[in-house]
Amino acid sequence: DAGITQSPRHKVTETGTPVTLRCHQTENHRYMYWYRQDPGHGLRLIHYSYGVKDTDKGEVSDGYSVSRSKTEDFLLTLESATSSQTSVYFCATLEGIANYGYTFGSGTRLTVV
Amino acid sequence: AQKITQTQPGMFVQEKEAVTLDCTYDTSDQSYGLFWYKQPSSGEMIFLIYQGSYDEQNATEGRYSLNFQKARKSANLVISASQLGDSAMYFCAMRERAVKAAGNKLTFGGGTRVLVKP
Repeated sequence: DAGITQSPRHKVTETGTPVTLRCHQTENHRYMYWYRQDPGHGLRLIHYSYGVKDTDKGEVSDGYSVSRSKTEDFLLTLESATSSQTSVYFCATLEGIANYGYTFGSGTRLTVV
Repeated sequence: AQKITQTQPGMFVQEKEAVTLDCTYDTSDQSYGLFWYKQPSSGEMIFLIYQGSYDEQNATEGRYSLNFQKARKSANLVISASQLGDSAMYFCAMRERAVKAAGNKLTFGGGTRVLVKP
């Protein structure tokens, strides 16, 4: 979906290094989410944002931080990457509280070696 | 406790036959929404169908229908006339009461992999 761009699409990094994933949207959607996908677990919520500078933790937030300084960008940072953070990361957006049309990015495959 | 449970990790279906994917959920909210997504091997998440907890009729979208049994807390997806292109991972998800600060989060099940045989 051209409305959401995740970058990078693939990344290999070493244990202990910081990593930042970017989600960029052109839809002016209020809500943004970061999920990770692992086999057998479906997608699990890491952090989400309900407005600029308004963020909160999801169910698997340990080891991750986020920032949203403007509507269109939601950054996910792994301060010190670990092998357990090897996963596929999806960004999603939602226009507003009355909507149910979530838009997902194409995903970022992160490998921590 | 699991909020969304998909008990079928994988299943085969014959082309042109119907298939039912199971999904049960757990919530104490009266207002919630249930979703099904398809994830083909290319990895993108494709929205299939939505059912609101107050919707009296089961949702339908083309070959997809959602068998919503509120008392049983189940929201099974039925795919009619399966096609080879239906081979994919399918996820059930729930959004509980939409409150601003709660963020309208989606909670996903573990998924069911469907393989359609010719």
